[in-house]
Amino acid sequence: EDQVTQSPEALRLQEGESSSLNCSYTVSGLRGLFWYRQDPGKGPEFLFTLYSAGEEKEKERLKATLTKKESFLHITAPKPEDSATYLCAGVIDTGRRALTFGSGTRLQVQP
Amino acid sequence: EPEVTQTPSHQVTQMGQEVILRCVPISNHLYFYWYRQILGQKVEFLVSFYNNEISEKSEIFDDQFSVERPDGSNFTLKIRSTKLEDSAMYFCASSEAPGVGSGSYNEQFFGPGTRLTVL
Repeated sequence: EDQVTQSPEALRLQEGESSSLNCSYTVSGLRGLFWYRQDPGKGPEFLFTLYSAGEEKEKERLKATLTKKESFLHITAPKPEDSATYLCAGVIDTGRRALTFGSGTRLQVQP
Repeated sequence: EPEVTQTPSHQVTQMGQEVILRCVPISNHLYFYWYRQILGQKVEFLVSFYNNEISEKSEIFDDQFSVERPDGSNFTLKIRSTKLEDSAMYFCASSEAPGVGSGSYNEQFFGPGTRLTVL
């Protein structure tokens, strides 16, 4: 059973059209939730870390939030350069550091 | 800005051959990781390394795989006898030592990857 699930799989937005990406997790003991951006053929680029429900972090047009069951990545007034795959990953087990990744959301922002 | 580097960017090998993928983690980081991503699939954890030994490994990381920190800067992944299904992007990552207190998992910074193609 997938422990980190992302939706939607793909999202196409017009420039300036705000939206949210979802990351849900099925384990009760999540130790940390990470958001990454991945461009085609490149490595994941770190965006945010969230540790506790209610926590929020912002960077430019992106804001990440965390509840007890899911995280959202809100994109406000996106630009074409925000087009990428957005990955979320969790540290699932106590004492471990391995990241468990979701499948990602492919975001395309059209001018 | 410090970054993780990986070489080569693309490696083509014949099935059954040994390959070594190389990484230079960020200099003050103490935890090192390998992940892989088969085309169109999720990023999957392989192994983590701390204090000159493996600290975690996944089911994927079987006897075919080994890791080494041969000197103060490099971190390598060796695949002894490559199989077709080993074709993937391999990412190295590194993170700082854990912060003080529980629940502190420092960010893992990823390299650009090595694309391994096994023919």
